[in-house]
Amino acid sequence: NAGVTQTPKFRILKIGQSMTLQCAQDMNHNYMYWYRQDPGMGLKLIYYSVGAGITDKGEVPNGYNVSRSTTEDFPLRLELAAPSQTSVYFCASSYWAHGNTIYFGEGSWLTVV
Amino acid sequence: EDQVTQSPEALRLQEGESSSLNCSYTVSGLRGLFWYRQDPGKGPEFLFTLYSAGEEKEKERLKATLTKKESFLHITAPKPEDSATYLCAAQGGSEKLVFGKGTKLTVNP
Repeated sequence: NAGVTQTPKFRILKIGQSMTLQCAQDMNHNYMYWYRQDPGMGLKLIYYSVGAGITDKGEVPNGYNVSRSTTEDFPLRLELAAPSQTSVYFCASSYWAHGNTIYFGEGSWLTVV
Repeated sequence: EDQVTQSPEALRLQEGESSSLNCSYTVSGLRGLFWYRQDPGKGPEFLFTLYSAGEEKEKERLKATLTKKESFLHITAPKPEDSATYLCAAQGGSEKLVFGKGTKLTVNP
């Protein structure tokens, strides 16, 4: 049972480039989330999804897009990367809403130069 | 605005030296208070959920407690393997989690 799998683990982007962070879960969870974690700061919610075809904005959605075509996958797209998007990104999932036993992936370290 | 504040930011203990981490929260309509452990280079790992004031939960050397304004994570006789960053998060009426910045715990042998 892999849990929540994120790829890539590390990536360096140039300003203005675009990329997609991949996230997959094999626990048949309804809810999926993308958070970012900046040094010395708490986790901030970027986007979340309550099921296939349904997504909603979190606290810091600007500069990102998501889609949820299947229960298992929840990719995060960065358009026109900016240095402010340098961060660690965590994908997570849970069976019920938000707090209930959220399982996190290992994280994706993104640097924009 | 919902807020979660954790203190101290960092804590160094000797092995066996018990202590507590604090999580103060201001959320409207608390639905749950959550504690996570995060090891370097890893994602947060769920520890506890507390739902109402007076509730306590234990797991090995860790015990979490909840009041109407604060939660404490008590660490009894810690070991070096307890070294990690401990995150607190509160879920209010919006259902979304609000995370604190974490307490980095170092336990020296």
